[in-house]
Amino acid sequence: DQQVKQNSPSLSVQEGRISILNCDYTNSMFDYFLWYKKYPAEGPTFLISISSIKDKNEDGRFTVFLNKSAKHLSLHIVPSQPGDSAVYFCAASGGSNYKLTFGKGTLLTVNP
Amino acid sequence: DTGVSQDPRHKITKRGQNVTFRCDPISEHNRLYWYRQTLGQGPEFLTYFQNEAQLEKSRLLSDRFSAERPKGSFSTLEIQRTEQGDSAMYLCASESRGGWEQYFGPGTRLTVT
Repeated sequence: DQQVKQNSPSLSVQEGRISILNCDYTNSMFDYFLWYKKYPAEGPTFLISISSIKDKNEDGRFTVFLNKSAKHLSLHIVPSQPGDSAVYFCAASGGSNYKLTFGKGTLLTVNP
Repeated sequence: DTGVSQDPRHKITKRGQNVTFRCDPISEHNRLYWYRQTLGQGPEFLTYFQNEAQLEKSRLLSDRFSAERPKGSFSTLEIQRTEQGDSAMYLCASESRGGWEQYFGPGTRLTVT
């Protein structure tokens, strides 16, 4: 039972354009959501997070949107750069449970 | 900047051998987590510590797996009688008191032959 789903295994965008990565969740207890970026042979790097009391959080080129009624969140990267090419993981935690539940990831390729 | 460190980065072992991995969290972080990642999957939770207390273990953590954090600082994860299915990337993460973001180490890649 996959509680966090990233339905797009890959995404390809042109440099300078917007990248939109999507994530859906099923567990209503989740109240904190995070995005991580991962290069091959490295650990995940924290990018940005959002609490369920908000619907948007912005940090430089990265913005995360949360739609609680749809149980959906998205990560927008504007403008996309070739160095953004990596696997992006959506993760969630909730209640008294601090552990993270991850999606399977989306491979983003930004073409020069 | 001392992030989370893990040792070794790579381990190749024969089936049936025991292996031990070490994780040093970010200084002052009181929570420490172990995850496992296999090809094509996201990291999966194994266990976590708050200070030296192990507070939760996943059902993924069979009796062959044991983890410790004896002084509330570094942690070790031991796998006894390794099996080929144990081949994976083992990730450690730490989190500060009152924080919600977990910071990951580079991982230990285990290959069981």
